Amino acid sequence: GENVEQHPSTLSVQEGDSAVIKCTYSDSASNYFPWYKQELGKRPQLIIDIRSNVGEKKDQRIAVTLNKTAKHFSLHITETQPEDSAVYFCAASRSGNTPLVFGKGTRLSVIA
Amino acid sequence: GAVVSQHPSRVICKSGTSVKIECRSLDFQATTMFWYRQFPKQSLMLMATSNEGSKATYEQGVEKDKFLINHASLTLSTLTVTSAHPEDSSFYICSARDPRDLGNTIYFGEGSWLTVV
Repeated sequence: GENVEQHPSTLSVQEGDSAVIKCTYSDSASNYFPWYKQELGKRPQLIIDIRSNVGEKKDQRIAVTLNKTAKHFSLHITETQPEDSAVYFCAASRSGNTPLVFGKGTRLSVIA
Repeated sequence: GAVVSQHPSRVICKSGTSVKIECRSLDFQATTMFWYRQFPKQSLMLMATSNEGSKATYEQGVEKDKFLINHASLTLSTLTVTSAHPEDSSFYICSARDPRDLGNTIYFGEGSWLTVV
């Protein structure tokens, strides 16, 4: 089955700096790669996703890149703000009615 | 986007009792729903895939007789934690895909905090 590795587990950045979180996956058939932000005790919130036919996607301060050959994808947050502080999860899945497999998460702290 | 609703949001039960958590797709039909468990400061771990009209598929290490899943309709899946113990205390969350969404997006319920005392 799919295995998703996520690094780093914790990340502290100064406000205004960029943050990068990296994930690798094992199943070459996976073609959907979402990123979630989760506040304590709440459901994961989709912040951006990318599909395997695209190499990069950007939405304002957030971007995701995908390298299918190397089987890794990354989340980039620019101009970080204190409200970006949260736990971020990457995930991967195949198409169709298949479940997401999550990475272990990254706790991002943005220091004002 | 599609809406998945989960109930209850919080529940406290005594050891040895059973508790049922409901997951509903409010504006779409879901032939498949996914149940996850999340312990504090950990990731979401897939417990089982709930299939409408048939048996659920459980992940390795998840006891099917302890975590009963019923998916009797296209909009409702239930997870029953039987003979609950304190170690079952966790955040349980369901998810589903909207078949109308060709983008493969998964929608999550609000999650249910279970505390077994």
